[in-house]
Amino acid sequence: GAVVSQHPSRVICKSGTSVKIECRSLDFQATTMFWYRQFPKKSLMLMATSNEGSKATYEQGVEKDKFLINHASLTLSTLTVTSAHPEDSSFYICSASPDTGQPQHFGDGTRLSIL
Amino acid sequence: GDSVTQMEGPVTLSEEAFLTINCTYTATGYPSLFWYVQYPGEGLQLLLKATKADDKGSNKGFEATYRKETTSFHLEKGSVQVSDSAVYFCALIINSGNTPLVFGKGTRLSVIA
Repeated sequence: GAVVSQHPSRVICKSGTSVKIECRSLDFQATTMFWYRQFPKKSLMLMATSNEGSKATYEQGVEKDKFLINHASLTLSTLTVTSAHPEDSSFYICSASPDTGQPQHFGDGTRLSIL
Repeated sequence: GDSVTQMEGPVTLSEEAFLTINCTYTATGYPSLFWYVQYPGEGLQLLLKATKADDKGSNKGFEATYRKETTSFHLEKGSVQVSDSAVYFCALIINSGNTPLVFGKGTRLSVIA
């Protein structure tokens, strides 16, 4: 079945570092991918919609200069947390769907810890 | 706008107990409905889905029926196991375009032996 791979699974780094997270669709092409953020014991919050070949669409309250999204190919979207600070520590999850209206398949998530 | 409401957790059950997690939705279009499960420290996995009214999704002993008249998609399992301990998310997607899932807040289930 459709698989979405997310890398890395865990990052621990110092404040001020920029961190890149990759999301790949392994056996299908995805013109659209989604990035979510999950706080401890909370639901998933949609951060942005990543569109292949065009700018990402950010949800209200999400800083686009802070969370840079690049969807350069039909199988890869990247989320870069720029100049990360402790408040950016969270669980980030991407998803993609093989087709309109079909179930979203999720990556295993990236746990980001900023010291 | 579209939304999903789940029962508040956490839910704690003994092994082999019956499980129900309520989920209701509001949607402007005609949604597909899903249950996702998140085990500790992991991402989300699709548990089951239903794409039209009266459809029943089922997987691993879990079931949910798409009830248009009550706008509900309650998750049930007849006999839970310790390994079912996880967070369960009800979600919907409108069948028009490649749109993101709308999630409920999640229900944490703990099953004790």
